[in-house]
Amino acid sequence: RKEVEQDPGPFNVPEGATVAFNCTYSNSASQSFFWYRQDCRKEPKLLMSVYSSGNEDGRFTAQLNRASQYISLLIRDSKLSDSATYLCVVILTPGYSSASKIIFGSGTRLSIRP
Amino acid sequence: DGGITQSPKYLFRKEGQNVTLSCEQNLNHDAMYWYRQDPGQGLRLIYYSQIVNDFQKGDIAEGYSVSREKKESFPLTVTSAQKNPTAFYLCASSIDPMRGTEAFFGQGTRLTVV
Repeated sequence: RKEVEQDPGPFNVPEGATVAFNCTYSNSASQSFFWYRQDCRKEPKLLMSVYSSGNEDGRFTAQLNRASQYISLLIRDSKLSDSATYLCVVILTPGYSSASKIIFGSGTRLSIRP
Repeated sequence: DGGITQSPKYLFRKEGQNVTLSCEQNLNHDAMYWYRQDPGQGLRLIYYSQIVNDFQKGDIAEGYSVSREKKESFPLTVTSAQKNPTAFYLCASSIDPMRGTEAFFGQGTRLTVV
């Protein structure tokens, strides 16, 4: 089983729609969670961190459910510029003296149509 | 300006040759990472390093080698043992992943075996 799993999509939605992405992780020792955005042929860039209390940044809302090992990202009032691949990211530190792994999901491709 | 620099941006290699990809950061980050991305897929972890002179294998380390002689530098060698090396290679760094800090990426190196 993959450590981080995402629906690969693609999602093709009209401008103004609300889009939801989901991600599950397998290791309950995972500590930190993020959503990254990757444009075609570019490097990934941080979109937002994800907290159990939920966090919102404009049209974007991220949520973490530790009990279900589930992370979500909601985009409201989608814009053409939101078209990209969205990557779920988990930081896992196996032990106190171990290095931390940053693990990416396979990404969900989003296309917004006019 | 601080950041992560990967070079070269494009690299062509003949089959059977080793090639080294450069990754340098001036962010004073402790942790560094190498990922591979194939078309339409997510990032897969090759190697990672928490401190100088120490590194760990990721999920797909076979056919690759790294060194971490300096904090700022984490070069990746793609050896002839890597059977399918054509891919987009991304280097990342993080100040303190154990505390949940995000990763910053270089612009990537596209390696093509000819």
